[in-house]
Amino acid sequence: KAGVTQTPRYLIKTRGQQVTLSCSPISGHRSVSWYQQTPGQGLQFLFEYFSETQRNKGNFPGRFSGRQFSNSRSEMNVSTLELGDSALYLCASSLEAGGRTEQYFGPGTRLTVT
Amino acid sequence: GNSVTQMEGPVTLSEEAFLTINCTYTATGYPSLFWYVQYPGEGLQLLLKATKADDKGSNKGFEATYRKETTSFHLEKGSVQVSDSAVYFCALPSGGYQKVTFGIGTKLQVIP
Repeated sequence: KAGVTQTPRYLIKTRGQQVTLSCSPISGHRSVSWYQQTPGQGLQFLFEYFSETQRNKGNFPGRFSGRQFSNSRSEMNVSTLELGDSALYLCASSLEAGGRTEQYFGPGTRLTVT
Repeated sequence: GNSVTQMEGPVTLSEEAFLTINCTYTATGYPSLFWYVQYPGEGLQLLLKATKADDKGSNKGFEATYRKETTSFHLEKGSVQVSDSAVYFCALPSGGYQKVTFGIGTKLQVIP
């Protein structure tokens, strides 16, 4: 089975721009979660989607948004980029099982905001 | 909500040394507990898990026991290798569904 894929792997943007990141989960996985990883804050949960519905959301401003398509692929969007948005953005997919199943992570998208 | 406290690194060990990375948790009920590992330039991958109290998860020589008396899930390995150099994260579900809380991560460096 193919693993979780994320595109692009690297991205450089300028303050004020917007960016869209893409995630394709493992075939058959219906839950997709997004995390932001930074050296100072570690891994922080952004949001989780299941069957095109956002079920959980972390403590991030409204500039961070996401969606999930009928084939379970997911995108996240960050508008009006700030320098502090520079981070590794990780996507993870899992089977639906109430939090007892493990998550499978993609390699991440490294976003640099200048 | 549930939370996890993990020892901060970095941890530097010589090859074949014994490894312990401490992890304690605060949780309602008895959620599953996980250890993930992140190798340089990669995403996280599950190392091991335990789904109930007294369970022992193990993989690749690593072990961790779910201890409800001490609310701990310490990661151990009897003899580390250079290839074990990575960042290790303790994690547990929190807030329902697939929301997962991760520890701060412990960087392990194994020197020959």
